[in-house]
Amino acid sequence: DIVMTQSPDSLAVSLGERATINCKSSQSVLYSSNNKNYLAWYQQKPGQPPKLLIYWASTRESGVPDRFSGSGSGTDFTLTISSLQAEDVAVYYCQQYYTTPYTFGQGTQLEIK
Amino acid sequence: QVQLVQSGAEVKKPGASVKVSCKASGYTFTGHYIHWVRQAPGQGFEWMGWINPNSGGTNYAQRFQGRVTMTRDTSITTAYMELSRLRSDDTAVYYCAKSWFDPWGQGTLVTVSS
Repeated sequence: DIVMTQSPDSLAVSLGERATINCKSSQSVLYSSNNKNYLAWYQQKPGQPPKLLIYWASTRESGVPDRFSGSGSGTDFTLTISSLQAEDVAVYYCQQYYTTPYTFGQGTQLEIK
Repeated sequence: QVQLVQSGAEVKKPGASVKVSCKASGYTFTGHYIHWVRQAPGQGFEWMGWINPNSGGTNYAQRFQGRVTMTRDTSITTAYMELSRLRSDDTAVYYCAKSWFDPWGQGTLVTVSS
């Protein structure tokens, strides 16, 4: 199975500041035939299901604010929130959908400093 | 709008089975796989498998092989996930999600306790 490891486990950032979450996969999730990284990011708030933010590592889902961006390729990926808002407090997860079993990172708890 | 509505919470005894339903609306049910994912209390996510609502074909995670069965009823645009031989560590919120994992159902808490 592909192991997804996020860092840090928790993060406290001031309102308006940048938040950066990292995700590393144990093997590449880049499919060479289409040059796409099979990597997604989700946001989960308490008592709610996850919400898809980013897919193909860097494509923002419709309706997601443009302060959220994804980058990286191969085995190393980053989710960046450019200017933290109060409503961004949540747990963030990365996920690979390159091969089954699709696997998730352990999550990063984002809080306001 | 696209929506997945799951059945209500369940309490089961060890060794029993549970069947969770996922009613889809707002899109062509047979055009998109349905995934099942679970989240144990305070834990991360575990993908269990998918079902192709068009063909009924399935792909289960190896660790659930032999215990999980995913089915669908196209006449009522509903997918089902049945987990058998329940253990206490199967206590979790079970989610369905339209491929590719957007959106998700609201989740169904399954508690396994004697």
